[in-house]
Amino acid sequence: EPEVTQTPSHQVTQMGQEVILRCVPISNHLYFYWYRQILGQKVEFLVSFYNNEISEKSEIFDDQFSVERPDGSNFTLKIRSTKLEDSAMYFCASSDWSYNEQFFGPGTRLTVL
Amino acid sequence: SQQGEEDPQALSIQEGENATMNCSYKTSINNLQWYRQNSGRGLVHLILIRSNEREKHSGRLRVTLDTSKKSSSLLITASRAADTASYFCATATRGSTLGRLYFGRGTQLTVWP
Repeated sequence: EPEVTQTPSHQVTQMGQEVILRCVPISNHLYFYWYRQILGQKVEFLVSFYNNEISEKSEIFDDQFSVERPDGSNFTLKIRSTKLEDSAMYFCASSDWSYNEQFFGPGTRLTVL
Repeated sequence: SQQGEEDPQALSIQEGENATMNCSYKTSINNLQWYRQNSGRGLVHLILIRSNEREKHSGRLRVTLDTSKKSSSLLITASRAADTASYFCATATRGSTLGRLYFGRGTQLTVWP
């Protein structure tokens, strides 16, 4: 069964460093999302992406964040200068239509020291 | 807040019993989705119910939606120890671009063998 994959599963970085989290959405999906979950808290929306542009972003998704679809299969989230409070599990999700099921990847646990 | 809120926060039952979890939300929705998350792992999609639907079934899962009360319930019948996980409802509100999801805090279900 097709699934969303994410790499790496765990990333440890120093505060101020740049990180890139990678996702491979389900192959026939056109709608892509990033969410995050700080330990013990709710899953929070970061950004949605369609047709090579951001559709919507939350207040969390500030200038330090960016997303890109560099080729036909990958979808990346970049954090330019990580802060301690960026430590969280980051989930990528994809969907075949804007109001259909969103399928999530296994997540990347980001730890900022 | 547009987010769904699950009730109860924690539920502990014996194998074979039924588990019922509830979700309430505040705004008009396009759909509501239920997810399962095993500790520290990814979000597994369980079922999507649209605003014009009242009930859906998938295997041992039964979901109901009452848009007049802005609430949904997830019933797991004949529960198994493997059903032990956190269960989240997530709402896609009307007017949201690309169906951004708002998550609740989840219900932690423990099924004892």
